[in-house]
Amino acid sequence: EVQLVESGGGLVQPGGSLRLSCAASGFTFGSYWMSWVRQAPGKGLEWVANIKQDGSEKYYVDSVKGRFTISRDNAKNSLYLQMNSLRAEDTAVYYCAGGTTTLGYWGQGTLVTVSS
Amino acid sequence: QSALTQPPSASGSPGQSVTISCTGTSSDVGGYNYVSWYQQHPGKAPKLMIYEVSKRPSGVPDRFSGSKSGNTASLTVSGLQAEDEADYYCGSYAGSKNYVFGTGTKVTVL
Repeated sequence: EVQLVESGGGLVQPGGSLRLSCAASGFTFGSYWMSWVRQAPGKGLEWVANIKQDGSEKYYVDSVKGRFTISRDNAKNSLYLQMNSLRAEDTAVYYCAGGTTTLGYWGQGTLVTVSS
Repeated sequence: QSALTQPPSASGSPGQSVTISCTGTSSDVGGYNYVSWYQQHPGKAPKLMIYEVSKRPSGVPDRFSGSKSGNTASLTVSGLQAEDEADYYCGSYAGSKNYVFGTGTKVTVL
């Protein structure tokens, strides 16, 4: 059974940092592009970033470029999102998802709240 | 990276059909056959229902079907059932490894 389990969310002040993790199991993690998707409270889905199988290519939505960094550790079957200079508008549930042209696997999400 | 346009809501009675549109541009929906549809129940993670315009993942009922014409994709749910009541999002590859989602449609089963 495919499982993606996010962790690391919480309450952080504006300007602060947070690192999200996603533990994968049940599929060959190292063979898949992986993505982060977020959903602000009561709003729609927004693609945030993705990363190639070997980590050599990374892409971001304009609103997080220079602030967020996606990474992965294939030996640990894990995906990460380092979030710096957080803003109120970054408040959302963050999902990790498997794929890039199709997001076939999804985690249950972790809530990030940016507030003073 | 503008969101794809979906109607905010759609509805139908049990057994009826409902069709949701997803309008983009030639840089996303119209440019690639990588349109997907995701179902999301309240408080739950999205679930892939259709990929590559019209393909169904294993386990998704054949009541769900997808199509595309030009810059507009569509999802049709036939034989509506109570459990189909959810939010539906289209998504499309948008080139340069970017991805874009639709604005979302709330489907209500009357």
